[in-house]
Amino acid sequence: KAGVTQTPRYLIKTRGQQVTLSCSPISGHRSVSWYQQTPGQGLQFLFEYFSETQRNKGNFPGRFSGRQFSNSRSEMNVSTLELGDSALYLCASSLPSLGEWSYEQYFGPGTRLTVT
Amino acid sequence: GNSVTQMEGPVTLSEEAFLTINCTYTATGYPSLFWYVQYPGEGLQLLLKATKADDKGSNKGFEATYRKETTSFHLEKGSVQVSDSAVYFCALTIVSSNTGKLIFGQGTTLQVKP
Repeated sequence: KAGVTQTPRYLIKTRGQQVTLSCSPISGHRSVSWYQQTPGQGLQFLFEYFSETQRNKGNFPGRFSGRQFSNSRSEMNVSTLELGDSALYLCASSLPSLGEWSYEQYFGPGTRLTVT
Repeated sequence: GNSVTQMEGPVTLSEEAFLTINCTYTATGYPSLFWYVQYPGEGLQLLLKATKADDKGSNKGFEATYRKETTSFHLEKGSVQVSDSAVYFCALTIVSSNTGKLIFGQGTTLQVKP
């Protein structure tokens, strides 16, 4: 089974621009979560989508948004980029169910965003 | 609130040494606990998990036991290899919250020397 894929892998943008990152989950997984990883703040939860609905949102400004499509693929968008948005953005998919496999998440390789 | 605290790194060991990386948590509900590993330039890989108290997760020689009484989930390996050099993250999720949100510790860098 193919893993989580993220595109693009690397991205360089200028302050003030906007960016869209894409994530394709493992086949059959319906939940997609996004995380930001930086050296200073570590891994921080951005948001989670399940069946095209945002189920949870982290403590990030409104410039960060996302969506999920009917095929479970997800995109996140960051508008008006700031230098501090430079980070590795990780996507994870899971098959939410109770029991032994509760919320086990599988991560993609990430998109490295550099804002100059 | 919910949080995870890991021992600070980096941890530097010689090959075949015993490894312990401490992890403690606070949780308002009943957490599932995980260890993830990140190799340079890659995303996170699930290393092991435990979903209830006294469960022992194990994989690739690594083990961790869910200790509810001490709110801990320490990672251990009896004999580390150079290939184990990576960053290790302890994480939790609250199952009853009906969300997959993972809360991570700050990560512990392990360097294994030949």
